[in-house]
Amino acid sequence: DTAVSQTPKYLVTQMGNDKSIKCEQNLGHDTMYWYKQDSKKFLKIMFSYNNKELIINETVPNRFSPKSPDKAHLNLHINSLELGDSAVYFCASRDAGTSAGTEAFFGQGTRLTVV
Amino acid sequence: GENVEQHPSTLSVQEGDSAVIKCTYSDSASNYFPWYKQELGKGPQLIIDIRSNVGEKKDQRIAVTLNKTAKHFSLHITETQPEDSAVYFCAASGGSYIPTFGRGTSLIVHP
Repeated sequence: DTAVSQTPKYLVTQMGNDKSIKCEQNLGHDTMYWYKQDSKKFLKIMFSYNNKELIINETVPNRFSPKSPDKAHLNLHINSLELGDSAVYFCASRDAGTSAGTEAFFGQGTRLTVV
Repeated sequence: GENVEQHPSTLSVQEGDSAVIKCTYSDSASNYFPWYKQELGKGPQLIIDIRSNVGEKKDQRIAVTLNKTAKHFSLHITETQPEDSAVYFCAASGGSYIPTFGRGTSLIVHP
């Protein structure tokens, strides 16, 4: 069983479209994240969702919005896609409930190409 | 917030040589320092981690050291093999829920 799964793996779409990327974790973790990885491999945090508390990176455009129907899912919705949104998007989860830090588990990534 | 610096951005070694990647962090509240390996077309995967109450940890060919006073931590890979070629990320967390990653090091091991 895949611990963190995201779909689709590849997404090609035109500018101006609205799209969603789905993420599910079966690890029972209490915190989920979305990261954007650019062409230089930098992993930039976009959102963190923990116990219904959403933390947003202030640099993320409001065209991006996370939706969490339950603890196991954190989907990413993107409106009015732009060329600069092309990147690989990673979903991750971890158990942040303990005081000690814990490993984050990543999905396989979604390569978004906006044309 | 936390800021993690990672060097070098690219590291090229011959098979059998050692490789060292260094990171610094800024938030003294950080207490957990994982290292991730990202292979082509895949998500990052944990290879080793260290907590703030430990100065060094080793797992076969890989080791990590932590200097809390200087806010430095390093990854050491000995006897490198071609399959070690990947992008390596350091990270720091504990001060907040959000792990902060370094910018990554592309390690190339030449046969």
